[in-house]
Amino acid sequence: AAGVIQSPRHLIKEKRETATLKCYPIPRHDTVYWYQQGPGQDPQFLISFYEKMQSDKGSIPDRFSAQQFSDYHSELNMSSLELGDSALYFCASSSRDRESPLHFGNGTRLTVT
Amino acid sequence: SQQGEEDPQALSIQEGENATMNCSYKTSINNLQWYRQNSGRGLVHLILIRSNEREKHSGRLRVTLDTSKKSSSLLITASRAADTASYFCAGDSNYQLIWGAGTKLIIKP
Repeated sequence: AAGVIQSPRHLIKEKRETATLKCYPIPRHDTVYWYQQGPGQDPQFLISFYEKMQSDKGSIPDRFSAQQFSDYHSELNMSSLELGDSALYFCASSSRDRESPLHFGNGTRLTVT
Repeated sequence: SQQGEEDPQALSIQEGENATMNCSYKTSINNLQWYRQNSGRGLVHLILIRSNEREKHSGRLRVTLDTSKKSSSLLITASRAADTASYFCAGDSNYQLIWGAGTKLIIKP
């Protein structure tokens, strides 16, 4: 069965650079979530989209933005990167109408140097 | 958003023993979900219990839900070394997930 695909798997950036993370949800899933997990920390909810509209906002910094496109894939754009942005970034998808649980991707490991 | 709580924060038991983790939440929920995370990997859904259910089983997992106390428990029976992971609960409240802090479970061989 198709799973949530995230790209890239690893990303190394320098301070003040920008990064774009991509997420391809499971087909027919209408909701996408983004989470950030720092080393040794629990995942922190950043933002979610339902049917391409922002549905909930968590602790997403103003330097970050995200959107969901017409094909339901989502991108997380991160600007003015800081050392503290180094983390695992997970995307998850679900189907609201079928009350499905979240299906997580394997994450993108971002390292800011 | 994360307004739930889990206890214990860490649990270390011998292989073969049962492991119980608890989760409490503050708002009303439609369902409660349990997830597992191996180090550095994405979370994996384990089991979902709806607000009108009190108990649910799946293999070696048993989940209870007490909506009057706003709490849930996850029991893993006959634990195995491969159960070593972090476990999270998440309450679905009007399509917003409220996450607990996670319990780190270590199974000693």
